[in-house]
Amino acid sequence: DTAVSQTPKYLVTQMGNDKSIKCEQNLGHDTMYWYKQDSKKFLKIMFSYNNKELIINETVPNRFSPKSPDKAHLNLHINSLELGDSAVYFCASSQDRDPGELFFGEGSRLTVL
Amino acid sequence: GDSVTQMEGPVTLSEEAFLTINCTYTATGYPSLFWYVQYPGEGLQLLLKATKADDKGSNKGFEATYRKETTSFHLEKGSVQVSDSAVYFCALDYTNYQLIWGAGTKLIIKP
Repeated sequence: DTAVSQTPKYLVTQMGNDKSIKCEQNLGHDTMYWYKQDSKKFLKIMFSYNNKELIINETVPNRFSPKSPDKAHLNLHINSLELGDSAVYFCASSQDRDPGELFFGEGSRLTVL
Repeated sequence: GDSVTQMEGPVTLSEEAFLTINCTYTATGYPSLFWYVQYPGEGLQLLLKATKADDKGSNKGFEATYRKETTSFHLEKGSVQVSDSAVYFCALDYTNYQLIWGAGTKLIIKP
């Protein structure tokens, strides 16, 4: 069983469209994250939820909206996609006693045309 | 503020060569330090960590020692393999739920 799974793995879409990425973890972790990795591999945290509560909300356009229906799931919805949104989006999770030990999903590569 | 600086890549080595990837940090407190590895087409995975000064983290033949006096956490391996080709990230824990990441160092191992 995959510990942190994201779907879809690839998204190709036109500018202006809306898309969602789903993430699920079966590790029993309390905290989940969304990271964006650009073409130069630079990692930027976007959001983090702890037990369904938003605890990190970095400077991200409000076109990006996370939602955590329960502590095992964290979804990312993006409205009005722009070219600059093209990147790989990673979901990750951690448990409270080892918050620096992140478990990452395989990533969702978003290409905006 | 807190930051992590890694050596720029790509680093290209021959198989069985000795590897060092430099990582230095600035921090106001005493953070834990981490190395993560990202293999092509995959997510990141924790390679090793150290939680206090003089701790040595090790895994899969890789080692790194937390040096407070030089604010460094250099990654080393005695004999690299082609399968070690990946991007390596150094990080420190800034708050309970946030890591400060280095820019990543791409490692290419040639047979």
